[in-house]
Amino acid sequence: SQQGEEDPQALSIQEGENATMNCSYKTSINNLQWYRQNSGRGLVHLILIRSNEREKHSGRLRVTLDTSKKSSSLLITASRAADTASYFCATDAEGGSNYKLTFGKGTLLTVNP
Amino acid sequence: SAVISQKPSRDICQRGTSLTIQCQVDSQVTMMFWYRQQPGQSLTLIATANQGSEATYESGFVIDKFPISRPNLTFSTLTVSNMSPEDSSIYLCSVGTGDHGEQYFGPGTRLTVT
Repeated sequence: SQQGEEDPQALSIQEGENATMNCSYKTSINNLQWYRQNSGRGLVHLILIRSNEREKHSGRLRVTLDTSKKSSSLLITASRAADTASYFCATDAEGGSNYKLTFGKGTLLTVNP
Repeated sequence: SAVISQKPSRDICQRGTSLTIQCQVDSQVTMMFWYRQQPGQSLTLIATANQGSEATYESGFVIDKFPISRPNLTFSTLTVSNMSPEDSSIYLCSVGTGDHGEQYFGPGTRLTVT
């Protein structure tokens, strides 16, 4: 299965600290995306990194991709209580549709004020 | 980006009944999808809703259980038929508008089957 695995499953930090979440996947991909979900609501797209990219930034977010290890990390710097949410990585299989996504199991991030 | 609404936001249904979930988008989109998120789990793609033709279902999902309509480029429905408690989940629709597979999600419909 293509399904990604995030670790840790849960992460609790203090406001102002950095949070790092990891994602591993099993087969070659076109792109890898990260999404945020607040308390069982809809998902919000955060960032997409292509298979030929190694690092990407967006505001306080930094994503890295290591295709040789089939892994990605999401770093949130200077975390805020509002960052409390579940974070999912999603991949699409190389050669397949960019829109057919397989989601990982997610990391529940709690940022304590 | 796209603004997506879903109705109902939540429902409690009895075993053996059916529920139709609506998804409305504020602009015309080609790619529209339905996902299921079981309690405490990740998202699983149910099907791609194709405008003017039958939906494309993923492995493990069948049209008799999850019939989907897509009458135009801004609207789709998903019906959960003959429900059982195992169907209790959040059901989400999404649309694809980016060049590389980015998707925008509706707020979800939380379904509880008793």
